[in-house]
Amino acid sequence: NAGVTQTPKFQVLKTGQSMTLQCAQDMNHNSMYWYRQDPGMGLRLIYYSASEGTTDKGEVPNGYNVSRLNKREFSLRLESAAPSQTSVYFCASSTTGDLQETQYFGPGTRLLVL
Amino acid sequence: AQKITQTQPGMFVQEKEAVTLDCTYDTSDPSYGLFWYKQPSSGEMIFLIYQGSYDQQNATEGRYSLNFQKARKSANLVISASQLGDSAMYFCAMREAPSNQGGKLIFGQGTELSVKP
Repeated sequence: NAGVTQTPKFQVLKTGQSMTLQCAQDMNHNSMYWYRQDPGMGLRLIYYSASEGTTDKGEVPNGYNVSRLNKREFSLRLESAAPSQTSVYFCASSTTGDLQETQYFGPGTRLLVL
Repeated sequence: AQKITQTQPGMFVQEKEAVTLDCTYDTSDPSYGLFWYKQPSSGEMIFLIYQGSYDQQNATEGRYSLNFQKARKSANLVISASQLGDSAMYFCAMREAPSNQGGKLIFGQGTELSVKP
C-alpha cells in the first residue's frame, strides 16, 4: 500500500501566485488533515475533513482553501501565495477523528514563496 | 488551552544505551491520546507509539516504551538500545476528542536526538 501520497514534493512560487497541493490516501480513511511545519516547530493544523463532503478550519486557516474531492483525495489551495506561507506541508489521514486513532502522514511538500 | 511541552531541544546518546525524551502535556479533558512521532532528516513523520489516557499499563512497541505518569501529566518516550538510525527529531503529540477540530494532533516543538557511535 502507498499509504498517504502528496504532490508535488517541492515547489517554488512567487508572491501572488496560486497553487494546489494534492493529497491522496488508499487506506479507506474517513478523516483527513492538512498541517504545516515551520522551522523549529511542531506541526499546526490548517484544515481538516472529518468525512467525505465536510471540511472545516483548523488553527491557521488564513490564506488557504481545501477541497475533499472524494473519500481518497483532499487538496489544499493557496490562492495568492505569501512569503509567510513558506513551510513544509503535511497531509495526514486516520480512520476516524477518535482520539485513539493514529494519524498517518504523507511525505510532505516543501514550499518556498519568494 | 491544550499544550505539549518538550523541554529538551537536543540530546546526545551513545549507541546501545537507553535514552528518555521528555514530554509534558496540559489538558482539562479527561479523555485524550498521546502519540510519539519520529521525523528523520528525510522529513517524513513516522508513528512510533500511542498511549490512551485510560490505559492502565505503559505502552510498548519494540524498543520504544512510553513512561506515562498521568498525575504528573507526563508521557516520556524511552528508547532502549539506541541505534545510529534513531538519530532524528522526535515529536510528542496529543489528540483530544473529535469535537476538537476533528481530533487534531497538538504537537510539541520536538527533541533532536543524536546517537553517537
